[in-house]
This record gives sequence, C-alpha cells and structure tokens, in this order.
Amino acid sequence: AQSVTQPDIHITVSEGASLELRCNYSYGATPYLFWYVQSPGQGLQLLLKYFSGDTLVQGIKGFEAEFKRSQSSFNLRKPSVHWSDAAEYFCAVEGTGNQFYFGTGTSLTVIP
Amino acid sequence: ETGVTQSPTHLIKTRGQQVTLRCSSQSGHNTVSWYQQALGQGPQFIFQYYREEENGRGNFPPRFSGLQFPNYSSELNVNALELDDSALYLCASSLTWDRTDTQYFGPGTRLTVL
Repeated sequence: AQSVTQPDIHITVSEGASLELRCNYSYGATPYLFWYVQSPGQGLQLLLKYFSGDTLVQGIKGFEAEFKRSQSSFNLRKPSVHWSDAAEYFCAVEGTGNQFYFGTGTSLTVIP
Repeated sequence: ETGVTQSPTHLIKTRGQQVTLRCSSQSGHNTVSWYQQALGQGPQFIFQYYREEENGRGNFPPRFSGLQFPNYSSELNVNALELDDSALYLCASSLTWDRTDTQYFGPGTRLTVL
C-alpha cells in the first residue's frame, strides 16, 4: 500500500541556517514524488516534483530534494532559510488511480 | 489566467445537514480532485473527476459525492454531516488525469460541523 511518512512533526531553525525535511515513502512501482508548502489560510503550493531521471530535483524558492530509492526517501533541503519559509510542508506520493498520498506534514518555524 | 478558486471560504453546519462546496478549476484544466484535510493532518484524497466522470475514489463513504460540469467546475456534496467531517476541503485541478500533470490547489473551504 502507498504511504508517506514525515518523521518530524515540527522543526525550528534560525534564519540563514540550512534545512532538511525528511520524507519516507512506501510504493511498489516507480514513485512520483512531490513536496508542497502550505501557509496559514492558503492552499498547497507545489515546490518540486520527481518523476524520473536525475535524482536531485530543483524547485522554486531555492528548495531542492534528493530521491534515494535504496532508502525510500525524498528529503527536502534548502541551504539558507528565510523567515518567509515558515509554513507547513507536505511530502506526497502519487499512487494508482491518480490519488495523492500525503504525509502528515512538518511545521517549520524560523527564528531570527 | 485565474487559478483554482473555491467557495465558500468558511461554512458552519450542524450534524445531519447537507453541504455543497464549489470549485472552479484553472483555465484549460479538465480534471478536478477533492481532498479532505483534518486539523493537523495531511490532505486525504476523496475523489477525482475527469470530463464529468468520476475517475478514482479514495476511502470515503457514499455520502460524499461529487459533480463536474461541462465547464469543468466541480461540486463536492456531503450528506448527513458528522462532527468528524469538520475539516479544510481542498480542490485541485490539472490539465488531464495523467500522472505527470501538476495538480494546482485552491485555498480551500473550511467546514465546521457542530
């Protein structure tokens, strides 16, 4: 069965520090993987996606993610966090029937 | 080009009532998916509509139903509301149902069931 696990419920980083948000997935075939960001009162905005090819994917707002099949992971990274990055981050895998399976999210707090 | 819009923004209902939520897809998109996001959780897939036909359904009871119209806008109907139906309901549109097509999400409708 398809599923996504985001082990970190909440992360706090200082502005300018690096960031890594963890995501592990369970999917039998080649996964289509996504990271979305959700600000309070807003819908989900796509940061980046992985379908195939280069395992290091670049996204918007300076984010990148690396697909590691051996570890069933798709961790999101950013070298230098900005205060505006504070939000909820969701990892998702697209399974059969075009259904998205989302993780429970990681809440990011950025301190000055 | 307008994005995905949803109405209403907020809604309060009581148990047993029925509710209809609306979604206008992004221009040119013929596929709409609906998600339920309970507080503190990730979105859960309810169903997807492609060219007015249901094209996939998640693990939700039949009292959750939908429609897609010729202009590809969509409705989510929930009958016999329960307290656990309180959530943010998100709709997402995509160019087609192909897995490579990006889903664009609307801002959601916050439903509170008392």
